[in-house]
Amino acid sequence: DGGITQSPKYLFRKEGQNVTLSCEQNLNHDAMYWYRQDPGQGLRLIYYSQIVNDFQKGDIAEGYSVSREKKESFPLTVTSAQKNPTAFYLCASSIGGANTGELFFGEGSRLTVL
Amino acid sequence: KNQVEQSPQSLIILEGKNCTLQCNYTVSPFSNLRWYKQDTGRGPVSLTIMTFSENTKSNGRYTATLDADTKQSSLHITASQLSDSASYICVVSAENSGYALNFGKGTSLLVTP
Repeated sequence: DGGITQSPKYLFRKEGQNVTLSCEQNLNHDAMYWYRQDPGQGLRLIYYSQIVNDFQKGDIAEGYSVSREKKESFPLTVTSAQKNPTAFYLCASSIGGANTGELFFGEGSRLTVL
Repeated sequence: KNQVEQSPQSLIILEGKNCTLQCNYTVSPFSNLRWYKQDTGRGPVSLTIMTFSENTKSNGRYTATLDADTKQSSLHITASQLSDSASYICVVSAENSGYALNFGKGTSLLVTP
């Protein structure tokens, strides 16, 4: 079945370590996104990519990095520069722009910093 | 500033009862409004998406309404089931906003037996 796969589901990290969250989609969507979700807050955009080898910063990109080497894949690296990385991370994709096309989400990855 | 406000923050209802969730927004110029259902620990799933010209849209027991004049939307759940327990998120997009979406904080619904 088509969809978005995020891994791992749960991840624990020590302070000072970088971690990479995987996001793979087989929907043939051009656009992919990473959002961060914290309790009591709306989703916030970290990075998005419209096409392969291109990506743009969202509202809270500091301390994060991404790559888009393949249409299907959009991994997110949470670096040691991110001061408060504990959160639920959601990957999404859409056919066109997020403001007009339907957004499809993965199941999320929960990162906890110990 | 584009904002999306949802109420109530949380709600508890008995199984079989109906409920209505509210979403008020200040996003302009308006493009579309969506409602998502998010089960605990999982990704959001789309329920409805409405454009300016649509004032009602249904998806099974879920019915969304939109009043673009007052900038208000509601999500009505009929004959609630235990599986309706989730967070419901209102998302509003503006025209020509590119990839930016305005997310509400969600309403947490608990349906009890």
